[in-house]
Amino acid sequence: DQQVKQNSPSLSVQEGRISILNCDYTNSMFDYFLWYKKYPAEGPTFLISISSIKDKNEDGRFTVFLNKSAKHLSLHIVPSQPGDSAVYFCAASAGWNTGNQFYFGTGTSLTVIP
Amino acid sequence: DADVTQTPRNRITKTGKRIMLECSQTKGHDRMYWYRQDPGLGLQLIYYSFDVKDINKGEISDGYSVSRQAQAKFSLSLESAIPNQTALYFCATASGTGGYTFGSGTRLTVV
Repeated sequence: DQQVKQNSPSLSVQEGRISILNCDYTNSMFDYFLWYKKYPAEGPTFLISISSIKDKNEDGRFTVFLNKSAKHLSLHIVPSQPGDSAVYFCAASAGWNTGNQFYFGTGTSLTVIP
Repeated sequence: DADVTQTPRNRITKTGKRIMLECSQTKGHDRMYWYRQDPGLGLQLIYYSFDVKDINKGEISDGYSVSRQAQAKFSLSLESAIPNQTALYFCATASGTGGYTFGSGTRLTVV
């Protein structure tokens, strides 16, 4: 059973506009969340993280929001750039620092149109 | 050199053959992982290891085995490959803070 879900397989956005990628999870014990970006023929690379003690984390153009009551997180990219075109995975863990694994969503393919 | 190196990058093998995928890392991380990516299924954990003497099964370990030869090396074996093991395989390392560092992947095709 998929514990982390990304219900939008793809998203297209104009350059300069905001991209919003969504992720839902079912396990209320998840307390650490990550977003990864993946280009073709490369491994996923870490983008941004958020702990369950926060509801927002920013890093430059990337902001992750966490809504624990809704079991939902989102990644905002502002402004979107053509180089942001990639597949984005969200991942969640319950007790990562004690050794538990991350569970991954199925990914959203973002295309930023110049 | 990449932090996490996977070999081979691509491999085509026949049904029933034994194949080994290798992973080495220069991060100095204790934790190492093997994930499999299939279209529409995201990444699924096959095996993981927290040190040389610690090997653990993941969600989809059937048909696979692993060996942690050293802190820096973690190999994945398919004892008798079958077509539904055709997938993209990723090795990853972690220190317990931050997240995973992934290798570039091995694309395996079983015909």
